Amino acid sequence: QKEVEQNSGPLSVPEGAIASLNCTYSDRGSQSFFWYRQYSGKSPELIMFIYSNGDKEDGRFTAQLNKASQYVSLLIRDSQPSDSATYLCAIDNYGQNFVFGPGTRLSVLP
Amino acid sequence: GAGVSQSPSNKVTEKGKDVELRCDPISGHTALYWYRQSLGQGLEFLIYFQGNSAPDKSGLPSDRFSAERTGGSVSTLTIQRTQQEDSAVYLCASSLALEGEETQYFGPGTRLLVL
Repeated sequence: QKEVEQNSGPLSVPEGAIASLNCTYSDRGSQSFFWYRQYSGKSPELIMFIYSNGDKEDGRFTAQLNKASQYVSLLIRDSQPSDSATYLCAIDNYGQNFVFGPGTRLSVLP
Repeated sequence: GAGVSQSPSNKVTEKGKDVELRCDPISGHTALYWYRQSLGQGLEFLIYFQGNSAPDKSGLPSDRFSAERTGGSVSTLTIQRTQQEDSAVYLCASSLALEGEETQYFGPGTRLLVL
């Protein structure tokens, strides 16, 4: 059984700070890793995906992957109140076994 | 091109009635997923279609739930004899399901309320 674990939060950070969201997974065969953002009452939307160990940066977002530790994280720099949402971690193995974590609720305080 | 569309956007029904929820995936996407999300909860996987393969039905919560995908495109999720605990948002997603192209794109969801 593949498992994806996240701290449910809420994670509260002040505006302008770095928000760090963490995710661990159980299946060592996982190949692809995704971060989705879901605003209240809306559908999840993709923020970033990462396939290789290390960091991947896109604007204020950085995804970090460590396959040896089975750990993927999302850093949000210069957090804004508009970043307040639930962040879902998801893992996949070539489209065959897509699994979502329960999500971490982030609150950015003005 | 158009994204994933779902209909209806909202559905109110009485306990015991059957409902059908529709999903139109992104054109060319071979994989289609149905999820359920109760208020304040995470995504609950229901069923997965990939091309012409037999669907993965492992997430369907009971035999009252069934889904079809006709012609490898449009999918219908049917809930028979609805119960109040079926009230949730039902989300559909599609993807190319290829190496490097696994991203799932979600529709706006159908909000189901069973009275």
